[in-house]
Amino acid sequence: AQSVTQLDSQVPVFEEAPVELRCNYSSSVSVYLFWYVQYPNQGLQLLLKYLSGSTLVESINGFEAEFNKSQTSFHLRKPSVHISDTAEYFCAVITRDDKIIFGKGTRLHILP
Amino acid sequence: DAGVTQSPTHLIKTRGQQVTLRCSPKSGHDTVSWYQQALGQGPQFIFQYYEEEERQRGNFPDRFSGHQFPNYSSELNVNALLLGDSALYLCASSLDRGGYTFGSGTRLTVV
Repeated sequence: AQSVTQLDSQVPVFEEAPVELRCNYSSSVSVYLFWYVQYPNQGLQLLLKYLSGSTLVESINGFEAEFNKSQTSFHLRKPSVHISDTAEYFCAVITRDDKIIFGKGTRLHILP
Repeated sequence: DAGVTQSPTHLIKTRGQQVTLRCSPKSGHDTVSWYQQALGQGPQFIFQYYEEEERQRGNFPDRFSGHQFPNYSSELNVNALLLGDSALYLCASSLDRGGYTFGSGTRLTVV
């Protein structure tokens, strides 16, 4: 069965510092991978996705993630975080039968 | 172009009662999935509807049921509510596997 592991439940980082949120998945077949962001008291917003092609995908607000098949990872990075990036971030994979499997989430705390 | 719309936004129910949550998919999307997100957890897949039929189901009891209408909108029904059913219920619509859009959710509190 496919699964998603987010290695850190919380990540504190100073404003304007770089950040990496880690995600590993288990799957023996090709996967579609996603990062969703959830701001306080809101639903999920798609941040970026990997379907095929270039292994480096970028979002419009400066985040990027790299699909690494050999390490079964899809880590999310941003070179300089802003206070507005405070949120919970979920890594997810779509299964062959079209279900989205989410990780448990990583809460990003931006310190002033 | 409206995204996914869910109603109501908040709801308080008593144990043993029944609840119906509603979802209107994004224009052009024909598949609706429902997720339960307990506090501090990631969303858990409940079930998925396509062409008015339940196509996939997660590990949830039969108290959880749903429906999809000809206009692709959907309802989630929960019977005999338990305290543990308190959660954020999220609806997601899609046309293909790469394009899921989530609504803002319905916050259900069971007291």
